[in-house]
Amino acid sequence: GAGVSQSPRYKVAKRGQDVALRCDPISGHVSLFWYQQALGQGPEFLTYFQNEAQLDKSGLPSDRFFAERPEGSVSTLKIQRTQQEDSAVYLCASSLVGTAKNSPLHFGNGTRLTVT
Amino acid sequence: AQSVAQPEDQVNVAEGNPLTVKCTYSVSGNPYLFWYVQYPNRGLQFLLKYITGDNLVKGSYGFEAEFNKSQTSFHLKKPSALVSDSALYFCAVRDGSSNTGKLIFGQGTTLQVKP
Repeated sequence: GAGVSQSPRYKVAKRGQDVALRCDPISGHVSLFWYQQALGQGPEFLTYFQNEAQLDKSGLPSDRFFAERPEGSVSTLKIQRTQQEDSAVYLCASSLVGTAKNSPLHFGNGTRLTVT
Repeated sequence: AQSVAQPEDQVNVAEGNPLTVKCTYSVSGNPYLFWYVQYPNRGLQFLLKYITGDNLVKGSYGFEAEFNKSQTSFHLKKPSALVSDSALYFCAVRDGSSNTGKLIFGQGTTLQVKP
């Protein structure tokens, strides 16, 4: 597709359930980022992949959060034993070049996770 | 540590008037600055960036931004606002201390353009 695609668009989970959020980046993009955006806040960095390598996971809030990108394309963000504080919009972004400072990020429309 | 601040939660302007959305930054090293716009239930769309060169940067949809090194500011501007410009605007800085190129975002400013 032309842009970054995320699915599902909306996810409602009961507290304690596991969820998996998918991101299809723009074809050929090396870099992939996951961000968490709480209501009324700016996006907060979660993790970064360069191809299949997860080079930075410093933003993951707990060990319940896990991300993978096994073939350097599609990525999945998994949250285990969801808690209410996990409710947020999860944004995926990709960029063409690994670490070029002038390369903008291209964002998907996000997955809105609501934990009840 | 790199950071950006957007001092206004909301900016209100009348259609046809000029608009300014403020952003200040703190970086170690050269700043790489970006503006993004977010419409309801959508992801962020890239508007413009400052890397080096001219202090006035032109971007999408008639927006421009003025880089001011002495004031560490990167304010977003448009000469004549449209109702359709109403959205949430984010300023961001590239984290120069990281080898990932990740962006650090401000808290966002809601722009409301009234007819």
